[in-house]
This record gives sequence, C-alpha cells and structure tokens, in this order.
Amino acid sequence: QSALTQPASVSGSPGQSISISCTGTRSDVGAYNYVSWYQQYPGKAPQLIIFDVTRRPSWISSRFSGSKSGNTASLTISGLQAEDEADYFCSSYTSTDTPFVFGSGTKVTVL
Amino acid sequence: QVQLQESGPGLVRPSETLSLTCSVSGYSITAGYCWGWIRQPPGKGLQWIGSVCQNGGTYYNPSLRRRVSISVDTSKNQFSLRLNSVTAADTATFYCARESYDIVTAQILINYMDVWGKGTTVTVSS
Repeated sequence: QSALTQPASVSGSPGQSISISCTGTRSDVGAYNYVSWYQQYPGKAPQLIIFDVTRRPSWISSRFSGSKSGNTASLTISGLQAEDEADYFCSSYTSTDTPFVFGSGTKVTVL
Repeated sequence: QVQLQESGPGLVRPSETLSLTCSVSGYSITAGYCWGWIRQPPGKGLQWIGSVCQNGGTYYNPSLRRRVSISVDTSKNQFSLRLNSVTAADTATFYCARESYDIVTAQILINYMDVWGKGTTVTVSS
C-alpha cells in the first residue's frame, strides 16, 4: 500500500490561509471517514490535530479545519502563524492489505 | 494524563533483533484502544508498523509482517515490539501510540493515534 499523496511543501504569509491536500483512493480516503491529520515539529513526536475528517481535539486551535471530497482530504490552516511552521501528515484506514497508512508529509513554511 | 514512554537499545547490530517496550501510565491498556508502533527513518515520513488491540488481535504492516511481532504485558501495563533480522534500512525513530478504532461488521478499523510517546532512535550498525 503506497502512502497517501501530499504536496512536499506549502508556504504562506502570516495571516493567510493555506490548504494541504491528501490524495488517496476508493480503498481509503474515498471510502471511509477515518482521515486524521498530525502536526510534527523537528525532533518531536507527531500530535493529532484532526480526526474523523473534520473533528478537532479540544486543545487544538479552531484555525485548523479538515474536509474531504471524493478521494482527497484537505487540511486548512487559517490565520497562519509562525508557530504553524512544521511538518503535517495525513492518515487513513484502508481496506487493502495494509490496514493503516500515512501520507507522504508536507512541510509548511511561514514566509 | 495518559503518557507513553518508549525504551530499548539505541544501537542494534545487523541481522539481530530490535526490541522496544512502551510503558503506559495514566490509563490501563486493558481498558480499551489499540496500541501501536510507528517508525520514521531520518528525514522521511511516518510508517505504521502494527498494533495490538483490546480483543487480543494483532495487525501488522504486510511489508514487515514476516519480521515483526507486537505483544502486551498487562501486569506491567506495557506493550512491546520485536523486529527480526534488521538491516540499516530499519534505522529510524520509533514511536508508540494509543490508537482509537471502530468495529465494523466484527472487523477492527484503526482510526487515529491520539497519544504518542516521545520516540526513541534506533540505529542499525555494526
């Protein structure tokens, strides 16, 4: 099972909104609402920021939101801040041999 | 507050077995959830290795299935990873995590990781 496809990098200026795509197939993103997103700072463990496509843990800023259309899920960061500069990974359950898969990862740069 | 902590050797010789343990505090591993291992090679992305779930079942990444096993020690509130016949390609930071899941038509569907350990770096080298 290949990793879900994400853009290698996305950048934006402070205050702007950016979106990160996560493209899968009808066996994963397209079939299930089990898409989650993780934020990872260098040298640190990933942290869950979105689950079940759109839900956000209570401690995560409302500036982070998730959505899905067909085989592609998206993470949107509104009001971009310097602290949002990190790597972001999506993930999904899959009905293939590999029951769980991560995306390839996206580096977000705040200009 | 649920916390996970990985432990194990930081250096493993090629062809030997990598063994790591994840100690869980603040939550009983028998109370629910799946418990899994994820690894990240230097400068690369995340790879799900496998999980052990409340029903006792284990689920593995097929690319590692022949070499990996995950087990639980309920008396110590720990779960462990063993990866056999390691090579330099297995060099990575290994994370343990608590995994939320759903059950659909009697099948466990792993959903997301809500608590992660800080990670431990394992280097495979002679």
